[in-house]
Amino acid sequence: DTGVSQNPRHKITKRGQNVTFRCDPISEHNRLYWYRQTLGQGPEFLTYFQNEAQLEKSRLLSDRFSAERPKGSFSTLEIQRTEQGDSAMYLCASRSGSDTQYFGPGTRLTVL
Amino acid sequence: SQQGEEDPQALSIQEGENATMNCSYKTSINNLQWYRQNSGRGLVHLILIRSNEREKHSGRLRVTLDTSKKSSSLLITASRAADTASYFCAPVNDYKLSFGAGTTVTVRA
Repeated sequence: DTGVSQNPRHKITKRGQNVTFRCDPISEHNRLYWYRQTLGQGPEFLTYFQNEAQLEKSRLLSDRFSAERPKGSFSTLEIQRTEQGDSAMYLCASRSGSDTQYFGPGTRLTVL
Repeated sequence: SQQGEEDPQALSIQEGENATMNCSYKTSINNLQWYRQNSGRGLVHLILIRSNEREKHSGRLRVTLDTSKKSSSLLITASRAADTASYFCAPVNDYKLSFGAGTTVTVRA
């Protein structure tokens, strides 16, 4: 399968713990996006990478959130000191030069 | 905000019927994209229509775009049970997709 992959698919954690999610984009897609989706809502933009450069961060991305794409391939999203309000589906998408973004299956985070 | 707003919020139809949903947005766009999401899953790209296009087809899908009214519509013809999902429009004027809350479509057998 050459689509976008995300790991883990589900994560349950206790409030205050740190969590890290991984996204592997479609090979050779140099642009990578993170979105967050809560129940009943559409995805909200979090951050955007072009190659290894993080070009934009949403105001939704508080200081507890950090994203990296060290070699311009896979990306990680870390949430420190998780809160119950962080419970959501975290979606990754990638694209090449075309405008179409291809989404992964998401990581569902539950903070107890 | 460039966020797309879908209407209606929910739609229930009989298998074989057509389903139409609308999207409105506020500012100029480069393109507008439609996505489908099955419950608890990732988003699947359906169709992209550019600002200089008025209509586009893909299989049973027909998308229109009226930039003067800042609106788009998605028509699904001859619906099937497998079309049951949430549908989102995403207007794009830079590189970000700005989704609304979506239209939930239920196709009854």
